[in-house]
Amino acid sequence: DIVMTQTPLSLSVTPGQPASISCKSSQSLLHSDGKTYLYWYLQKPGQPPQLLIYEVSNRFSGVPDRFSGSGSGTDFTLKISRVEAEDVGVYYCMQSIQLPLCTFGQGTKLEIK
Amino acid sequence: EVQLVQSGAEVKKPGESLKISCKGSGYSFTSYWIGWVRQMPGKGLEWMGIIYPGDSDTRYSPSFQGQVTISADKSISTAYLQWSSLKASDTAMYYCARRRQEGFDPWGQGTLVTVSS
Repeated sequence: DIVMTQTPLSLSVTPGQPASISCKSSQSLLHSDGKTYLYWYLQKPGQPPQLLIYEVSNRFSGVPDRFSGSGSGTDFTLKISRVEAEDVGVYYCMQSIQLPLCTFGQGTKLEIK
Repeated sequence: EVQLVQSGAEVKKPGESLKISCKGSGYSFTSYWIGWVRQMPGKGLEWMGIIYPGDSDTRYSPSFQGQVTISADKSISTAYLQWSSLKASDTAMYYCARRRQEGFDPWGQGTLVTVSS
């Protein structure tokens, strides 16, 4: 099974400041079709998860451009350029190269200072 | 609007059986995989398994193989997650989610299952 490891597990950010979350996979997420199957989700308090980023760096419909994803192979990063109060919650990376089976990272809790 | 609506919260005793549901609307239910995710109290997301309602092709995470059964009734656009004998450790929120090309979206609102004697 592919193991997804996120760091940090929690972070506290002042509004307007940037934030960065790392996600490392135990094996490459680059598929033979040329796509890399790494996704980012945000679970706001009391809500189901919502899709933020697909295939490493593509923002999903409606996601603000302060969110960006980068990386390749086994190392990935989610960045928020200027954190806002509405960004609080738990961020998860997820791999689906082994579709239809998937694995989530442990989650990173973002709180506002 | 594409929606997944899950059945309501359940309170069960250990050893009882349970089947929860996830009804899709606003899209072709038979054309997209539906996955199930567990979230134990205060914990992260765990992938359980997935079904393609078009032909009922079902895959399970090794951690959940044999512990639950995933099924679908395409005539009523509904996917199911069921247990034959619940344990206290099955207490959790369970989410269904549709897989599209860009990832899993939308998600159901979640079904809270509480197993307690």
